[in-house]
Amino acid sequence: EAAVTQSPRNKVTVTGGNVTLSCRQTNSHNYMYWYRQDTGHGLRLIHYSYGAGNLQIGDVPDGYKATRTTQEDFFLLLELASPSQTSLYFCASSDAGTGFSDYTFGSGTRLLVI
Amino acid sequence: GDSVTQTEGQVALSEEDFLTIHCNYSASGYPALFWYVQYPGEGPQFLFRASRDKEKGSSRGFEATYDKGTTSFHLRKASVQESDSAVYYCALGDRGSALGRLHFGAGTQLIVIP
Repeated sequence: EAAVTQSPRNKVTVTGGNVTLSCRQTNSHNYMYWYRQDTGHGLRLIHYSYGAGNLQIGDVPDGYKATRTTQEDFFLLLELASPSQTSLYFCASSDAGTGFSDYTFGSGTRLLVI
Repeated sequence: GDSVTQTEGQVALSEEDFLTIHCNYSASGYPALFWYVQYPGEGPQFLFRASRDKEKGSSRGFEATYDKGTTSFHLRKASVQESDSAVYYCALGDRGSALGRLHFGAGTQLIVIP
């Protein structure tokens, strides 16, 4: 079954720490996305990509880097983590040519920055 | 830019009550409109979509009608069950963009009391 898998499921780091969140999709989709979910704000797009080596800036990119190494793998990097980045992070994939109906989310990574 | 507004942050109902969750959008042209549902511990899941004025989308007893005149896509269900308790997201897809992305509302938490 096609899927989006995120790791780790939970992560705790200290302020100023270095964190990498991983996402792998087996949907053969060309687009991948990183969102953060916060109460009162819903899902906000951080970065996205339409293929290996490509990166597009989303709506809340400050403090985040991302890299798409293959069609399957998309990483979110926090090089100097801050408490404001404590959040629930979701990865998603889509083949936009299908009109977004195949937008598939992972189960999320909960990050706590102390 | 494109945006989606959900006015209710939380809705509490009793089983068999009628549900309405309001969604209004701001975008040019005819964007695709979506409803997603998110259960605890999971990522959002596609519920249904509509792509043109007066089109009705539906799934699992939920429905919404695309209304360009009022720029709305309100979610309705005639009789809710406890199992419908979840967070519901309205989303907009910019079909005019070459880069596939969705704009999500802030989400509405539905609590159904047995």
